[in-house]
Amino acid sequence: DIVMTQSPDSLAVSLGERATINCKSSQSVLYSSNNNNYLAWYRQKPGQPPKLLIYWASTRESGVPDRFSGSGSGTDFTLTISSLQAEDVAVYYCQQYYSTPPSFGQGTKLEIK
Amino acid sequence: QLQLQESGPGLVKPSETLSLTCSVSGGSITSSHYYWGWMRQPPGKGLEWIGSIYYSGSTYYNPSLKSRVTISVDTSKNQFSLKVSSVTAADMAVYYCARHRGGNYHPVDYWGQGTLVTVSS
Repeated sequence: DIVMTQSPDSLAVSLGERATINCKSSQSVLYSSNNNNYLAWYRQKPGQPPKLLIYWASTRESGVPDRFSGSGSGTDFTLTISSLQAEDVAVYYCQQYYSTPPSFGQGTKLEIK
Repeated sequence: QLQLQESGPGLVKPSETLSLTCSVSGGSITSSHYYWGWMRQPPGKGLEWIGSIYYSGSTYYNPSLKSRVTISVDTSKNQFSLKVSSVTAADMAVYYCARHRGGNYHPVDYWGQGTLVTVSS
């Protein structure tokens, strides 16, 4: 199974500042035949199901604000929120869908400083 | 707008079978390129994929749960279901039904609100 490890476990950022969350997979999730990274990011607010933000490592889901961006390839990935808003307080998860079973990182809790 | 809604008992006794149903509205469960799945999240913890099903009945399970899990689909009711047998305290979690877009374990673009299942005698 592919193990996903996020860092940091928690993060406090001031409103309007940049937030960066990292995700590392235990093996590459880059599929060479199509050059796609099988990596997604979700945001989960308290008491709600997760919401898909990014897939293919860097493609924003429809309706997701452009302050959210994803980058990286192979085994190392980053989710960046360019200007933190109050509604971004949540837990963020990365997920690989390169191989079964799909697996999630342990989550990064993002708070306002 | 697609909506998914979980239903089923919120309390299950140890060693018994957990049964949940997901009702899909606002779209057809027989749409191509979508798979229908279940995930769970123990209180305060992370997410675990349980498995998924295509409307044709093809199923895909997490190997760690495969021996105890059955997912089925009822296209006439636009529903799919989950059964987990021989439950223990470790199965206590919020269970989510979900739609995978593009593949049997591809990212989830629609989620149910989730239902908490407690395992206790």
